Amino acid sequence: GDSVTQMEGPVTLSEEAFLTINCTYTATGYPSLFWYVQYPGEGLQLLLKATKADDKGSNKGFEATYRKETTSFHLEKGSVQVSDSAVYFCALTTDSWGKLQFGAGTQVVVTP
Amino acid sequence: SQTIHQWPATLVQPVGSPLSLECTVEGTSNPNLYWYRQAAGRGLQLLFYSIGIDQISSEVPQNLSASRPQDRQFILSSKKLLLSDSGFYLCAWSVRQGFYEQYFGPGTRLTVT
Repeated sequence: GDSVTQMEGPVTLSEEAFLTINCTYTATGYPSLFWYVQYPGEGLQLLLKATKADDKGSNKGFEATYRKETTSFHLEKGSVQVSDSAVYFCALTTDSWGKLQFGAGTQVVVTP
Repeated sequence: SQTIHQWPATLVQPVGSPLSLECTVEGTSNPNLYWYRQAAGRGLQLLFYSIGIDQISSEVPQNLSASRPQDRQFILSSKKLLLSDSGFYLCAWSVRQGFYEQYFGPGTRLTVT
């Protein structure tokens, strides 16, 4: 079945550092890929998405490129802020009904 | 614009008591609807999804059930709660059919004591 693997956290960074969260996937079809962010005590918010190979999703300084050859969708941000502290989930869907398969989530802690 | 509501925001219930969590979506028609559970420090588990009124599929066997009495209303229920039902319950919606993103509600924190 389809699956998503994310790097384990927590990832602790200083403000203005470069952030990378690795995400790789296994899928039988051609998935759409997503990154969601969850701030403490809140629901999930869509951060960015990519629907086909070589697409780059971007939002709020975050970027991720759909790499079919390496089945990856790594999340990057060039200069993190304390407000970026959250849990980040990589997810995919190959289902026309939109069911998502989530990774386990990566907690990111940014210190001043 | 579309909004999704969940209530209650927090709930503390004793073991063996019933449960009813409600989710409503505004600003869209015929959405797909989903219930997820997030146990403490863990990822999301899809519990139910619905593609229409009275069209509900269960992903994981458990003592929970779901109903969709109206197009934009999705209810999660239990007749008798277990300790293992504690968690953060999230409702989400998406456009019907297609590889589209899901939009999540604010969640309900359930503690079973």
